[in-house]
Amino acid sequence: QKEVEQNSGPLSVPEGAIASLNCTYSDRGSQSFFWYRQYSGKSPELIMSIYSNGDKEDGRFTAQLNKASQYVSLLIRDSQPSDSATYLCAVNMWGSYIPTFGRGTSLIVHP
Amino acid sequence: GAGVSQSPSNKVTEKGKDVELRCDPISGHTALYWYRQSLGQGLEFLIYFQGNSAPDKSGLPSDRFSAERTGGSVSTLTIQRTQQEDSAVYLCASSLRAGVYDEQFFGPGTRLTVL
Repeated sequence: QKEVEQNSGPLSVPEGAIASLNCTYSDRGSQSFFWYRQYSGKSPELIMSIYSNGDKEDGRFTAQLNKASQYVSLLIRDSQPSDSATYLCAVNMWGSYIPTFGRGTSLIVHP
Repeated sequence: GAGVSQSPSNKVTEKGKDVELRCDPISGHTALYWYRQSLGQGLEFLIYFQGNSAPDKSGLPSDRFSAERTGGSVSTLTIQRTQQEDSAVYLCASSLRAGVYDEQFFGPGTRLTVL
C-alpha cells in the first residue's frame, strides 16, 4: 500500500513564527511532490511543487525535499493568522499520474 | 483566465434519487480528475480522464458511480440511487496533462447531501 503520511495536528504557532509541516511517503520511486492549502469549507489551493532534492522558496514558503529519507516539508516563515488552514501533501508515486494525498495537517496561527 | 468551475455548488437529494455533478476544466487542460472528500477526511480519488484515452475508473466505489467527459472538456459525474454514505464534497481538478510533474488545480466543489 503506497502511503503519504502527515501528522493531523493541530499545529499551533504564534504569529510571526516559522511553521514547519512534514510529510513522509512510502514509495522510494516517487517523483513529484505538491503542497496544497485548504481553508475550512473551501477546495485545495496549490501552494507549490518540488521535484528535486533540496529547498525551493516562494515568498514566505519553502518546500524541502529529501528523497533519501522520503520526506518533504513545508516551512512558512512569518506565519500569519490568515495561514490557518489544513495543508495537504500530495505525491506522484512512480508510474502513476494520480497523486496520492495525505490527510493533511491543521495549522493554527494565533495572534 | 477562468479556473475550474463546478455546478451545482450544493445539492440536497433524497436517498434513492440520481444526481449529476458537472465540472468544466481550465481551458486547454487535457487531464481531469474527480475526488470526493467526506467531512474531516482526506481526498479520495474517484476517476480520471486524459484526452481521448479510456478513463481510469479504479477509484469508483461502486457501479452506482459513473462519469463521462464530452469533447475532451466538460465532465459529468453521475451517482445513481444515492445513499446517505454518498454525502460528501465532490471535487474536480484539471491539469495541463496527466504527467507526473503536472500540477492539479481544483474547482470549488459540489457539496452533496443525501437525506
